[in-house]
Amino acid sequence: QLQLQESGPGLVKPSETLSLTCTVSGGSISSSSYYWGWIRQPPGKGLEWIGSIYYSGSTYYNPSLKSRVTISVDTSKNQFSLKLSSVTAADTAVYYCARYSSGMDVWGQGTTVTVSS
Amino acid sequence: QSVLTQPPSVSAAPGQKVTISCSGSSSNIGNNYVSWYQQLPGTAPKLLIYDNNKRPSGIPDRFSGSKSGTSATLGITGLQTGDEADYYCGTWDSSLSAYWVFGGGTKLTVL
Repeated sequence: QLQLQESGPGLVKPSETLSLTCTVSGGSISSSSYYWGWIRQPPGKGLEWIGSIYYSGSTYYNPSLKSRVTISVDTSKNQFSLKLSSVTAADTAVYYCARYSSGMDVWGQGTTVTVSS
Repeated sequence: QSVLTQPPSVSAAPGQKVTISCSGSSSNIGNNYVSWYQQLPGTAPKLLIYDNNKRPSGIPDRFSGSKSGTSATLGITGLQTGDEADYYCGTWDSSLSAYWVFGGGTKLTVL
């Protein structure tokens, strides 16, 4: 059974870069059938899509975050990663990774990232 | 403000039926498949409906989806207290480059 697990620092200082990794287990990230993505949810608010990546490296980003976001994939480690630069308190959220085929059918449990000095 | 518009809240009694609407435009719902997600308190979202009206394995047929033009609807019959959750619609948008959009979410209360 495919599982996704987010990992990374839970606290990031303002103006620094948030870095998270999603480890895929129970299946290959190199499958041509899927995209892999990041979604976040600020406290008490709705879901916001950050971006997605295909195993070949093709990326799609939310236009509102595109200037600050980089998503990359490491097929040798079966992982994909998120970098969000110049963070502010508005980037405080639960960050989820997910697999996308027809809809986002597998999600990680989420990791809370707080931006604070 | 979300590209896809959902009512903030809906409510109904146990055993009743409820529908949740998701309104968009030709650049998103009008030309792409819609999926629906259930988020129980404190948990990750779960896929309920994909490709407008298909249910993943394990999702009961009490949950249904439909699409007409630039709007989509999630239906839930035989409401249970365990259905109390936030529900989100989502789809691709191609107005700029291709990107995914979620609705603002709808809080379902089972009275």
